[in-house]
Amino acid sequence: NAGVTQTPKFRILKIGQSMTLQCTQDMNHNYMYWYRQDPGMGLKLIYYSVGAGITDKGEVPNGYNVSRSTTEDFPLRLELAAPSQTSVYFCASTNLGGDGNTIYFGEGSWLTVV
Amino acid sequence: KNEVEQSPQNLTAQEGEFITINCSYSVGISALHWLQQHPGGGIVSLFMLSSGKKKHGRLIATINIQEKHSSLHITASHPRDSAVYICAVRVEKLTFGTGTRLTIIP
Repeated sequence: NAGVTQTPKFRILKIGQSMTLQCTQDMNHNYMYWYRQDPGMGLKLIYYSVGAGITDKGEVPNGYNVSRSTTEDFPLRLELAAPSQTSVYFCASTNLGGDGNTIYFGEGSWLTVV
Repeated sequence: KNEVEQSPQNLTAQEGEFITINCSYSVGISALHWLQQHPGGGIVSLFMLSSGKKKHGRLIATINIQEKHSSLHITASHPRDSAVYICAVRVEKLTFGTGTRLTIIP
């Protein structure tokens, strides 16, 4: 198993550009999440999904969009990038219910908007 | 008020000391996770708890559902334990505490 794979690992964007952060998991997890972590701060939920075709907003969804067309993939789209979106982005996945259903994180994507 | 509160925010200790990190939450949960984030950013899951106590090596995690409180203990702490430890509670979505930055001095 590869676990949770995020790409790209590093990216520099200009203000106003758009990009997509890719997230794929091969564990057949229903629940997937996108978080951002600003320097020295905790993780803030952007969007999450409880299954294919279902997405919902987290704490800080403005400026982002997601889709979940398959169980495996949960891409995060940044439209019209702004300097406030400079952050580290983490994708995570898990299943609910039962013991031993741990959460898996991608390695993170470092995004700088200049 | 945050749904998940961790204490302390920062902790510095000497190698060998017994470490306790606390997590309190305000909502009904299906599970609580303890995570570790090393410098460089990678996040790994240490424990998932829905009741009682779990032990893995020198790490022990406990949860009291009635009191909405969990603790993470590290016995015989070592400099390689230096990291940020994060508590996360799970209903449908995961909500994270702000983390405890632990530094173990040799």
